Amino acid sequence: RKEVEQDPGPFNVPEGATVAFNCTYSNSASQSFFWYRQDCRKEPKLLMSVYSSGNEDGRFTAQLNRASQYISLLIRDSKLSDSATYLCVVRADTGNQFYFGTGTSLTVIP
Amino acid sequence: SAVISQKPSRDICQRGTSLTIQCQVDSQVTMMFWYRQQPGQSLTLIATANQGSEATYESGFVIDKFPISRPNLTFSTLTVSNMSPEDSSIYLCSVERATDYGYTFGSGTRLTVV
Repeated sequence: RKEVEQDPGPFNVPEGATVAFNCTYSNSASQSFFWYRQDCRKEPKLLMSVYSSGNEDGRFTAQLNRASQYISLLIRDSKLSDSATYLCVVRADTGNQFYFGTGTSLTVIP
Repeated sequence: SAVISQKPSRDICQRGTSLTIQCQVDSQVTMMFWYRQQPGQSLTLIATANQGSEATYESGFVIDKFPISRPNLTFSTLTVSNMSPEDSSIYLCSVERATDYGYTFGSGTRLTVV
C-alpha cells in the first residue's frame, strides 16, 4: 500500500466553482501534513500546512482527519490561475522522510 | 524561507555520460535532500546530504550511481553517473523550512538522456 494516495483526477471545473481534493495516508503516526502546488514544468511550492484544527488561507481550506487518516483541500471561487497539480505531502513520524502523493490535476475552465 | 538556486535548469545528455547538478542555498542548513520526479510520477527521495558525512541513500539508490557532495552548509551537488534513458527525469534539491517543517525546493533540473 502506498504511503500517500490521491485521486489523480483530472478535475476540470468552471471558474467560480468550489472543488475539493482528498488524500489518504497509511501511517497513523505521521506528524506533519502539507499541500503543495506544482505548476507544469515547475518545482513544487508549499501551498499550506495542514493542522488538526483545520486552517484557512483566503479561498483555500485544509482539513485533517486523524481518525480516518485523510487530508482535504477545498478551493472556493476557483480562478484560472488555480490550474495546477496539487500534491498531498505527509511527513513520517520519525526522521526526515516526506511522502508525496502522485498529485491531483486541476484545470479551471473559463 | 530559504532561497535555493539550482543549476542547470535542463540538459540533454548522451547515454554513458555523467551530469552534476548543483544547489546553492542562501542560508546555512543542516540537511539537504535530493529528489527525483519521473514523468507522470510523484517525488521520490534519492538521498539526504549532511555536511561532513556521507549521504544517506534510500532503497533503490546507490552512491556509485548518484554520488553526492556536501562540502559546506550552503551547497550540495548530485551527480547522475553513466546515464541511461531511464534516468530522464526532473531532479530537485530541497531543504527543510524552519517555520513549519515543510520543504522548499530548488527550481529543478530537467534531464533528458538520449
